[in-house]
Amino acid sequence: DAGVIQSPRHEVTEMGQEVTLRCKPISGHNSLFWYRQTMMRGLELLIYFNNNVPIDDSGMPEDRFSAKMPNASFSTLKIQPSEPRDSAVYFCASSLWGMDREETQYFGPGTRLLVL
Amino acid sequence: KQEVTQIPAALSVPEGENLVLNCSFTDSAIYNLQWFRQDPGKGLTSLLLIQSSQREQTSGRLNASLDKSSGRSTLYIAASQPGDSATYLCAVRRTSGSRLTFGEGTQLTVNP
Repeated sequence: DAGVIQSPRHEVTEMGQEVTLRCKPISGHNSLFWYRQTMMRGLELLIYFNNNVPIDDSGMPEDRFSAKMPNASFSTLKIQPSEPRDSAVYFCASSLWGMDREETQYFGPGTRLLVL
Repeated sequence: KQEVTQIPAALSVPEGENLVLNCSFTDSAIYNLQWFRQDPGKGLTSLLLIQSSQREQTSGRLNASLDKSSGRSTLYIAASQPGDSATYLCAVRRTSGSRLTFGEGTQLTVNP
């Protein structure tokens, strides 16, 4: 199993540019989570999906952030326009939930975003 | 609102020592609890998951216990090694299919 795959691994962009982060969950998993981690704020949940449906997006900072999950094997997190305060490591995680499932959550390696 | 606290925030021990990391949560109505480790610059790696009906889980030198009624979990690391140096996070899930609520983590340093 390849685990959770994220791309790009590193992104450097200028303020005002659009940034798109991509995630491929573990095959067969039906829950997907987007997190952001900074030294100041720690690990924050941005949004999560169950069966491709957004369940809780209360952690999305503002309208500049959007996330989609068009199918079970792909999700994107978009920031438009980006700002320096968006600089962080963005993690994607997935799990399998349902009757009697353990729901162990597996994290991807993260995308390190720097907005200049 | 569920709150998860980890004490201590940082811990430094000599190699070979047995140690305990603590995690407490305010709402005992949980579905399960998961322990992770995070190495600098890396993602989180799942260590152990304890379902609400379980008391403990073991993997190698790691043993995690859960006392749901008192809102506590401990992660016991036996015979610590320098390679165990990392940040350890615990997280609880309220219901099946819900989000994880994370603690702030304990930064562990094992000195050779």
